[in-house]
Amino acid sequence: AQKVTQAQTEISVVEKEDVTLDCVYETRDTTYYLFWYKQPPSGELVFLIRRNSFDEQNEISGRYSWNFQKSTSSFNFTITASQVVDSAVYFCALSESGANSKLTFGKGITLSVRP
Amino acid sequence: EPEVTQTPSHQVTQMGQEVILRCVPISNHLYFYWYRQILGQKVEFLVSFYNNEISEKSEIFDDQFSVERPDGSNFTLKIRSTKLEDSAMYFCASSRTGAFYGYTFGSGTRLTVV
Repeated sequence: AQKVTQAQTEISVVEKEDVTLDCVYETRDTTYYLFWYKQPPSGELVFLIRRNSFDEQNEISGRYSWNFQKSTSSFNFTITASQVVDSAVYFCALSESGANSKLTFGKGITLSVRP
Repeated sequence: EPEVTQTPSHQVTQMGQEVILRCVPISNHLYFYWYRQILGQKVEFLVSFYNNEISEKSEIFDDQFSVERPDGSNFTLKIRSTKLEDSAMYFCASSRTGAFYGYTFGSGTRLTVV
């Protein structure tokens, strides 16, 4: 069975601070996919990134970066120079490799960025 | 960019009533999903659907729930007799081939059972 743990529940930072959101996963599959989604107060799920288990290269997209480490089963997300618009709930999710595989979500981290 | 469309965005219903939540997946997608998010909680898998039948369902997806693809474009979730605890945001998602190409989520239907 697959599992995603987001141990942090709420994080509050002041604008321009860097913040890292942690994600630890469990799966028996050797091929799997990891995702991050953002859920702003309006409620929709906004896709941020997908990473497969064979690609451990870190990724940077603007102020966002992701650190994938198979050795520790972690897929952490860092926001650099946070902004008020980054305030949202962030979910990490895992999917196994089958064509019809479902997403298993973590409990989410509520990030509040104060001006 | 293609979207998954969900209607209505918000539905209020009385306990015991039947509701149908509607979704229009992306046209060339083959796999369809429903997820549920109770307020303040995580997003939970309900059911996946492929080739006109259920592929997998969770423990949440009991006999009160059913899914259908009635006309080749819509994908519906029916709750036969709603309970207060069915109040949640319901997300529809579709995919070409699962995780490899990723999933596209709709904006959700907020169901309130009173």
